[in-house]
Amino acid sequence: GENVEQHPSTLSVQEGDSAVIKCTYSDSASNYFPWYKQELGKRPQLIIDIRSNVGEKKDQRIAVTLNKTAKHFSLHITETQPEDSAVYFCAASTNTGNQFYFGTGTSLTVIP
Amino acid sequence: DGGITQSPKYLFRKEGQNVTLSCEQNLNHDAMYWYRQDPGQGLRLIYYSQIVNDFQKGDIAEGYSVSREKKESFPLTVTSAQKNPTAFYLCASSRGPWVDTQYFGPGTRLTVL
Repeated sequence: GENVEQHPSTLSVQEGDSAVIKCTYSDSASNYFPWYKQELGKRPQLIIDIRSNVGEKKDQRIAVTLNKTAKHFSLHITETQPEDSAVYFCAASTNTGNQFYFGTGTSLTVIP
Repeated sequence: DGGITQSPKYLFRKEGQNVTLSCEQNLNHDAMYWYRQDPGQGLRLIYYSQIVNDFQKGDIAEGYSVSREKKESFPLTVTSAQKNPTAFYLCASSRGPWVDTQYFGPGTRLTVL
């Protein structure tokens, strides 16, 4: 099955700096890569996603890049704010199984 | 995500008891999922259902059971066979097997006393 690895497990940045979280996957058939943000004790919420026919997608301060050859994708958050502090999860899935395989999460802390 | 509800928010169970967690959605989604979340381990799939009256085991189905008698409902029973049930349980749904975005409920925190 698919194996998704996520790094780093914790990340601290100063307010206004950028944050980058990286994920690798093993199944070359994976074609959908969402990113979820989870605040403490709350549900994961989709913040951005990318499909395998696209190399980069941007939504205001967040962007995701995908390298299919190397089988890795990354979340980029620019001009970080304290409200960006949360746990971020990446995931990968294929059309056939409609299962998500999640990374183990990155706890992001933005220091004011 | 406001269309997916889970109850109760907190649940306490004595060892040896079965408990059932509720998940309801009014999004008209065909597919529903149950995940277990433990610290440092991300989300692991317990069961999923792509259509009414059908469901499949995920990676950690042992000690759990589900039913899908209605499109809107996908209850999860944690049985006494589950050796370490204390965790945060998340239900999710998506429009169908060809559409991948999953939306999550607020979760149930189960604690075994």
